[in-house]
Amino acid sequence: DAKTTQPTSMDCAEGRAANLPCNHSTISGNEYVYWYRQIHSQGPQYIIHGLKNNETNEMASLIITEDRKSSTLILPHATLRDTAVYYCIVRVARGSQGNLIFGKGTKLSVKP
Amino acid sequence: GAGVSQSPRYKVAKRGQDVALRCDPISGHVSLFWYQQALGQGPEFLTYFQNEAQLDKSGLPSDRFFAERPEGSVSTLKIQRTQQEDSAVYLCASSLGGGGYEQYFGPGTRLTVT
Repeated sequence: DAKTTQPTSMDCAEGRAANLPCNHSTISGNEYVYWYRQIHSQGPQYIIHGLKNNETNEMASLIITEDRKSSTLILPHATLRDTAVYYCIVRVARGSQGNLIFGKGTKLSVKP
Repeated sequence: GAGVSQSPRYKVAKRGQDVALRCDPISGHVSLFWYQQALGQGPEFLTYFQNEAQLDKSGLPSDRFFAERPEGSVSTLKIQRTQQEDSAVYLCASSLGGGGYEQYFGPGTRLTVT
C-alpha cells in the first residue's frame, strides 16, 4: 500500500503557484520523497525528489518539513499543460530494486 | 531523443484470447518494470527485470500473466486466456538501474477485453 496521503483533487488558476501537499507520517530515515505526474493518456513523468533538504529544478520545487512527515510540491507558475494527476511516493533510493508504489494521487486542474 | 515505446497502443481482445504487449526501453537501461493501471487508479507494480533476469514477479495477478526480456532489451508481457478484469492500461518503465534512479515510462497499452 502507498505510504502517502494526498487530496483527491485541487484547482489552480493559470499563472498562479500550485501547491500540492502530501502526508507521509511513517516515512523511514532512508526513504526519499518522489513526485511523478501523469498527463491524460500518457505514462507517468518524473518531476523531482528529495530526502530532507528543499529541492528545486526547472519543473518544480519540493519543500519537506523538518520532521519529514509531510511535503509540498510547488509549481511556481502553473500553465494549462500542468493539468495532470500528481503522485507523491516514498521509496528507498539505494539497495532496492526501485519499483514505485503509487497511490491515487491528486488531480490538479489548471483553469484559465 | 528516443524514449520508451510500447506497442500496440490499443488492443481489443475477446475473452479467452491470448495477447502480447511489447516494450522497447531506452537503450542502455538495465532495469525494466511493468505496471498495470486500472481506470481511475494509480499504476500497480507487476514485475521487474534487471537485464534479462526477472528478479521480481510478485505483482503478477495470476499465472496467466507472463513476462520476458530474453536479450536484456525488448520486453514482452503476455496474457493468456484474457478475462474482463484484465482490462487496463499496461505501462512499461525503464531506468539506468534499480534503487532511486528515475524511471522513464512509455505511453502504455490500453487493453480492452470484451
